[in-house]
Amino acid sequence: SQQGEEDPQALSIQEGENATMNCSYKTSINNLQWYRQNSGRGLVHLILIRSNEREKHSGRLRVTLDTSKKSSSLLITASRAADTASYFCATAHASGGSYIPTFGRGTSLIVHP
Amino acid sequence: GAVVSQHPSRVICKSGTSVKIECRSLDFQATTMFWYRQFPKQSLMLMATSNEGSKATYEQGVEKDKFLINHASLTLSTLTVTSAHPEDSSFYICSARASGGDTQYFGPGTRLTVL
Repeated sequence: SQQGEEDPQALSIQEGENATMNCSYKTSINNLQWYRQNSGRGLVHLILIRSNEREKHSGRLRVTLDTSKKSSSLLITASRAADTASYFCATAHASGGSYIPTFGRGTSLIVHP
Repeated sequence: GAVVSQHPSRVICKSGTSVKIECRSLDFQATTMFWYRQFPKQSLMLMATSNEGSKATYEQGVEKDKFLINHASLTLSTLTVTSAHPEDSSFYICSARASGGDTQYFGPGTRLTVL
């Protein structure tokens, strides 16, 4: 099944720096969503970007989508220690009329205060 | 808005027993719910897609008789792990998608430990 793959697997930065995570996928998608997960907790939805969109912003988050390269990036600006978490991209593709989301392995982000 | 709850948040059971996990959409109707399993430091593995009023669609390699899914109403789906064994210990997460919507909203997860 289709799966997004995040890169890097782990990222360690200082508070105030920007963090960029990338996601690549294999086949056509309907949309791509980014999620955040704190250790041992559920997932929090961050941003959804549709296949006909190229860029979206939400607060300190900026997501881009390049369907020709089958890739997306998540940029967190002016990072904070509280941004420490795992970040996943999920690609939604159609299956039998429904959109089935599949997840990549995630990027583990550590922001040092 | 768009809150999904799971119950219980944590369960410890003996090998051979069955465990039921509930997933509820609290402020919206979810025609579709998804059940995932996550091992430590791993990604979420989709187990099955649950559609209200119909049978669940299981992913390849997931035993439907082992993991029983019921989606009896637009706000509730249940996952029952039957005859649980230690290898079933994992973090189980559900998500719900509103009718006509694209965004999935996730529950907080259930930590299952089978002794």
